[in-house]
Amino acid sequence: QTVVTQEPSFSVSPGGTVTLTCGLSSDSVSTSYYPSWYQQTPGQAPRTLIYNTNSRSSGVPDRFSGSILGNKAALTITGAQADDESDYYCALYVGRGIKVFGGGTKVTVL
Amino acid sequence: EVQLLESGGGLVQPGGSLRLSCAASGFTFSSYTMTWVRQAPGKGLEWVSAISGSGAYTYSADSVKGRFTLSRDNSKNTLSLQMNSLRVEDTAVYYCAKGYGNSWGDAFDIWGQGTMVTVSS
Repeated sequence: QTVVTQEPSFSVSPGGTVTLTCGLSSDSVSTSYYPSWYQQTPGQAPRTLIYNTNSRSSGVPDRFSGSILGNKAALTITGAQADDESDYYCALYVGRGIKVFGGGTKVTVL
Repeated sequence: EVQLLESGGGLVQPGGSLRLSCAASGFTFSSYTMTWVRQAPGKGLEWVSAISGSGAYTYSADSVKGRFTLSRDNSKNTLSLQMNSLRVEDTAVYYCAKGYGNSWGDAFDIWGQGTMVTVSS
């Protein structure tokens, strides 16, 4: 069974930078897994931030960026703002039409 | 405006059935993969099932395989999820999501607002 790992939580100061990661239990994450990132606030539907590793979705501020760092996918928030306080999920395509989400990272801005 | 509108959620007893629908508008429906993603109360997102643009191919998570059937009617721009033999652990908000394209690796670019399914006696 494929397990996608994310940090449970992160805290960042306003204006600061935070990098969230997305790993695989059994392999290194590469662009072949088509990493994507989603932001969700309580009671709301997810919002797509990043697709295909590092492409920003329409309307997403450029303070959000995606990359591969070492053997993981990464989402970096540069210049964090109060309304970035959310849950962040990554998803990886693992083949045969199947995607797997990570457990999510709760980001607090304070 | 590109929009997805889910319906069909509700309260059902364990072992029962429910059919969710997702009405799409604002784009050429048949050109995109469509997916259901669910979220149990207080939990993370879980990929459930996906279907190709033509409807010829579907894939499902092991947790729902053999119980849930995904289909689409491209003439009516509608996606459907038939859920049978429902279990308490299927309780979740179910989101319909549109793919960026018609490839399985494509991420989701548009999400519906979700419909709540509660399985309880």
